[in-house]
Amino acid sequence: SAVISQKPSRDICQRGTSLTIQCQVDSQVTMMFWYRQQPGQSLTLIATANQGSEATYESGFVIDKFPISRPNLTFSTLTVSNMSPEDSSIYLCSVGALGVNYGYTFGSGTRLTVV
Amino acid sequence: AQTVTQSQPEMSVQEAETVTLSCTYDTSESDYYLFWYKQPPSRQMILVIRQEAYKQQNATENRFSVNFQKAAKSFSLKISDSQLGDAAMYFCALSGYALNFGKGTSLLVTP
Repeated sequence: SAVISQKPSRDICQRGTSLTIQCQVDSQVTMMFWYRQQPGQSLTLIATANQGSEATYESGFVIDKFPISRPNLTFSTLTVSNMSPEDSSIYLCSVGALGVNYGYTFGSGTRLTVV
Repeated sequence: AQTVTQSQPEMSVQEAETVTLSCTYDTSESDYYLFWYKQPPSRQMILVIRQEAYKQQNATENRFSVNFQKAAKSFSLKISDSQLGDAAMYFCALSGYALNFGKGTSLLVTP
């Protein structure tokens, strides 16, 4: 399965600022996703990162708040903009594999604290 | 809409004993996959086991096995010979184009 490097692993940020999270995959992948995990909660899909086109956002998430880039099939970034304490969460990227190895691999996550 | 329900927020098991975590789901798809993921305090999501819906045989991976009841839309995880390292949050997940997760079950393993 694919190996994902996610950076940073954690950060403490001031409210009103922005943080960009990076995910680098060791192979080309078609399906790439970003999830949010609020404290003590499950994972919620933010968006699907599409290579060469705008990301597809889930209900409740908007591009102005969570802009996503996907310049190629091995890399994506998620920016959390104009942060507030409510944005304090773990953010995870994930890639999907089709065929006989069907499944989803996750990055190690970014723990964001907004003060 | 797809839903995944884990009705056990917390479970406890003694070392070397067996524990079963419950999961029910709902989907209108005929072909799908179900997963159990483990998330230790390190927050890394680790795939425990995968089940293809069109396969009647229950998946097994060493000490981990599932009881997949397609008609009942039930997908439980059995952990045999529990070890201290099994302590973690366990998430049941259903495939769409991405994954839909249940709320999770926190598993405590006592010596």
